[in-house]
Amino acid sequence: DVKVTQSSRYLVKRTGEKVFLECVQDMDHENMFWYRQDPGLGLRLIYFSYDVKMKEKGDIPEGYSVSREKKERFSLILESASTNQTSMYLCASSTSIESTDTDTQYFGPGTRLTVL
Amino acid sequence: RKEVEQDPGPFNVPEGATVAFNCTYSNSASQSFFWYRQDCRKEPKLLMSVYSSGNEDGRFTAQLNRASQYISLLIRDSKLSDSATYLCVVNIGNAGNMLTFGGGTRLMVKP
Repeated sequence: DVKVTQSSRYLVKRTGEKVFLECVQDMDHENMFWYRQDPGLGLRLIYFSYDVKMKEKGDIPEGYSVSREKKERFSLILESASTNQTSMYLCASSTSIESTDTDTQYFGPGTRLTVL
Repeated sequence: RKEVEQDPGPFNVPEGATVAFNCTYSNSASQSFFWYRQDCRKEPKLLMSVYSSGNEDGRFTAQLNRASQYISLLIRDSKLSDSATYLCVVNIGNAGNMLTFGGGTRLMVKP
């Protein structure tokens, strides 16, 4: 079974703080993704990575950065948290290797971040 | 216009009912299609892929109409446990297998 874990289920931070959200997957997947999910807006892609040290902007990268130093770990960084970054953050991974599993994204349980 | 559009619902149906959701996508280059299920306060999980010829998995049937650019999901004999949000998902073939998610359709099955 693919397992994607996220460092925290719930997080409360103050405006201006630097926030790190960690994601680890154990299936040797090449691709990793960070989304945020908000009521009425659905899942929106922040950043993704298709290889170690590679990163690509998604639809809403402003205010975020990412780091992928190891294949299994993909970190999302909020350099200076703001109240409009209060959201559910979901990490996902997928394989690029051609198989029946290609395209399937496996999600972590999510981190509900509140910025006060 | 959103790339993947769904009726947000909620669809309130009694147990045993048949319910259908539709989803439209805007990018004609889209290559693969999926339905994901998301329970309340949980992460999305793949329900089924959608193939051009249509496919069935137990009580669930998915159909794809490329000409009209829509995807459907039919649930027969609804169970209470089917209550969830169903996300329509499309892959347009970018690097890294990026997926585009619809906003989801909420289904509530009542006793």
